[in-house]
Amino acid sequence: DVKVTQSSRYLVKRTGEKVFLECVQDMDHENMFWYRQDPGLGLRLIYFSYDVKMKEKGDIPEGYSVSREKKERFSLILESASTNQTSMYLCASSRQNSNSGNTIYFGEGSWLTVV
Amino acid sequence: DAKTTQPPSMDCAEGRAANLPCNHSTISGNEYVYWYRQIHSQGPQYIIHGLKNNETNEMASLIITEDRKSSTLILPHATLRDTAVYYCIVRVVLDDKIIFGKGTRLHILP
Repeated sequence: DVKVTQSSRYLVKRTGEKVFLECVQDMDHENMFWYRQDPGLGLRLIYFSYDVKMKEKGDIPEGYSVSREKKERFSLILESASTNQTSMYLCASSRQNSNSGNTIYFGEGSWLTVV
Repeated sequence: DAKTTQPPSMDCAEGRAANLPCNHSTISGNEYVYWYRQIHSQGPQYIIHGLKNNETNEMASLIITEDRKSSTLILPHATLRDTAVYYCIVRVVLDDKIIFGKGTRLHILP
């Protein structure tokens, strides 16, 4: 069974705190992604990575950073949490190239509340 | 990306087959049909994908019409845990720009 595991399912943090969201995949996938999902706004891409130590900004990178030191692990960092970062955060991974279509696998999500 | 059209909601009795339709009349020759579902408060879950042949896995079957303008996802014996929003996506490959439309909200009735 393919697996994308997010370390925390529910978190409550205070404004200004530094927050780490960890994600691990066991499928040896090259690509990893961090999204946030908010009602009415769908999935919005924060950052993605196509290889170790490589990162690219997505559509809404402000206030976030990422780290990919190992192929299987992709971390999302909120440098100084704010209330507008209250959301569900989704990690995902996929293979880089495929001749038979590809799939993106998502983690179960991390619900972050910033108070 | 080819546009997809799905009914906003459907009901299905527990234990019966759930047949979820998707129209994609502008699909191009190299675009795949992908199905995902999202159960409340959880991340999207991959179900199945196909190009032109029918596909089956442990979760579902995917029937694609010969002209590829529509497809049907079949959950053979629906259970209450299949209650979710089901999304049909048509793309060549899924990349960071994956977009989930409104999907079909499937209610499984006991």
